[in-house]
Amino acid sequence: SAVISQKPSRDICQRGTSLTIQCQVDSQVTMMFWYRQQPGQSLTLIATANQGSEATYESGFVIDKFPISRPNLTFSTLTVSNLSPEDSSIYLCSVDGGSYGYTFGSGTRLTVV
Amino acid sequence: AQSVSQHNHHVILSEAASLELGCNYSYGGTVNLFWYVQYPGQHLQLLLKYFSGDPLVKGIKGFEAEFIKSKFSFNLRKPSVQWSDTAEYFCAVTNQAGTALIFGKGTTLSVSS
Repeated sequence: SAVISQKPSRDICQRGTSLTIQCQVDSQVTMMFWYRQQPGQSLTLIATANQGSEATYESGFVIDKFPISRPNLTFSTLTVSNLSPEDSSIYLCSVDGGSYGYTFGSGTRLTVV
Repeated sequence: AQSVSQHNHHVILSEAASLELGCNYSYGGTVNLFWYVQYPGQHLQLLLKYFSGDPLVKGIKGFEAEFIKSKFSFNLRKPSVQWSDTAEYFCAVTNQAGTALIFGKGTTLSVSS
């Protein structure tokens, strides 16, 4: 199955700043998915990132707040912009591993102060 | 849009008790179904998955799940739980496009020794 390297693993950021999260996959994948897991909550899909096209955002998530880059078939970034304490969460990327199921990165724990 | 319901928010069991966690989804088309587990402080791990074929699927650590299409259900079972099964359990189903995973809110399982 695919292996995902996600970084940073954690960060503490000031209000109003931005954080960019990177995910590198060890194989080429068509789609990459970004999720948010708020404290004590489940995973919520933020967007689907396709190489060569704009990301598709789920209801409640907008590109200005969560811009996504997908420059090639093995890499994607998610930026969380204009940070507020409500953005404190774990952010995860994921890919479809076919018969192996979906693989997840180890997550980025963001704390906004 | 696809939605996933997990009926049990928090389940408390003694070791050796049997476990059944409920999961229902809303979209009646072709779906792939998954159960993930998240142990304290760790990231998501795939327990089992259903794509097609035998509706009773077996996963790791003695877990199994049964897909009942007519009931839109995919319940997780284990005949005898162990203290080490204490974790958060997430049911996930592919969205209507068949691409991303949509997660239920999760069930916290606490097993006392």
